[in-house]
Amino acid sequence: DQQVKQNSPSLSVQEGRISILNCDYTNSMFDYFLWYKKYPAEGPTFLISISSIKDKNEDGRFTVFLNKSAKHLSLHIVPSQPGDSAVYFCAAKYTGNQFYFGTGTSLTVIP
Amino acid sequence: EPEVTQTPSHQVTQMGQEVILRCVPISNHLYFYWYRQILGQKVEFLVSFYNNEISEKSEIFDDQFSVERPDGSNFTLKIRSTKLEDSAMYFCASSGIDRGTDEQYFGPGTRLTVT
Repeated sequence: DQQVKQNSPSLSVQEGRISILNCDYTNSMFDYFLWYKKYPAEGPTFLISISSIKDKNEDGRFTVFLNKSAKHLSLHIVPSQPGDSAVYFCAAKYTGNQFYFGTGTSLTVIP
Repeated sequence: EPEVTQTPSHQVTQMGQEVILRCVPISNHLYFYWYRQILGQKVEFLVSFYNNEISEKSEIFDDQFSVERPDGSNFTLKIRSTKLEDSAMYFCASSGIDRGTDEQYFGPGTRLTVT
């Protein structure tokens, strides 16, 4: 049961431009969402989160937008840097501590 | 900066053998987790552990799996009789006080290969 979906397995962006990574979910009970970044041979690293009571959260170059009516969230990275090249996972939870992860989007930032 | 560590980084075992994957969570964290990622697939939750007992588990976490916190620092995942389909990256994670919102810090993972 794929409750969290990332429909784009990969994305390429020029350095300096905006990267937009998308995530859709099916469970309307989800109330907390996170984005993780993962480099090869490393575990996921927390990037940014958003509670369902908000529709935007910003941290430096990273902004997460939440559209509850569309059950959609997105991560904006601007400006994109080559070091941002990684796999990005969105995750969601509604109760307890079980996170549901998407399948990931591989971002390549081209210098 | 504190981090979650995992050993070994790669474990090769024969089908039917028992394996123990080890994790040292961040020292002041209270919640501990195991996830797995089969190659090319999503990260999947296995189990969460709090106050010396399992607080949640997924349907993947069947009777062949068990977790333990044998001392004040280690957190282990045991697979009793490994199957080929257990081959995956296994990630340990820990989180702090606020159960509802604290992000989980992940270790680098153990690659388990069952032959």
